[in-house]
Amino acid sequence: AQSVTQPDIHITVSEGASLELRCNYSYGATPYLFWYVQSPGQGLQLLLKYFSGDTLVQGIKGFEAEFKRSQSSFNLRKPSVHWSDAAEYFCAVGAIGDDKIIFGKGTRLHILP
Amino acid sequence: DAGVIQSPRHEVTEMGQEVTLRCKPISGHDYLFWYRQTMMRGLELLIYFNNNVPIDDSGMPEDRFSAKMPNASFSTLKIQPSEPRDSAVYFCASSFTRDRVYEQYFGPGTRLTVT
Repeated sequence: AQSVTQPDIHITVSEGASLELRCNYSYGATPYLFWYVQSPGQGLQLLLKYFSGDTLVQGIKGFEAEFKRSQSSFNLRKPSVHWSDAAEYFCAVGAIGDDKIIFGKGTRLHILP
Repeated sequence: DAGVIQSPRHEVTEMGQEVTLRCKPISGHDYLFWYRQTMMRGLELLIYFNNNVPIDDSGMPEDRFSAKMPNASFSTLKIQPSEPRDSAVYFCASSFTRDRVYEQYFGPGTRLTVT
């Protein structure tokens, strides 16, 4: 069955520290992978996406993610977080030929001053 | 572009009342998705349309929920009668063409509270 797992419900990091949010997927076809961010009271915004090619993808707001097929993972990273990065982050998976994408349950990021 | 527009942003209603949520997708987008978000269940896809035609409504929780898309620029999600367990944030999202359907653009959501 197709699924996306974000093992961490909450993550707390200090401002200026590095960040890694985990995402694992299960998908029968070659996956297309996404990270979305949801700020409080807002809708979801696309951070970055992986379709093919270079497995390290760059996104907006200084985020990057690496696709590792052998580990079925697509972890999100940022070298130095800012207080404004506090939000909920969703990993999602789809495939060409599928009209919809499947979202994980999200990881809420808290930033300590 | 104004992005995906949803109205109202907040809705408080009493159990048993009819609730109608509205969505205006981004102009030119041909896919429209309705999601529901709760703490317990996360983000759930309720139904989606392609060129105004419902494609998959398997996520609609029960017959109390219905959705329509009378034209390319407007969709509604109706709950009748509403129940307290319908309290959630409802998102509308739109996308353009099948090959790029994954890049969904979300509206700000409607927070529904049923008392």
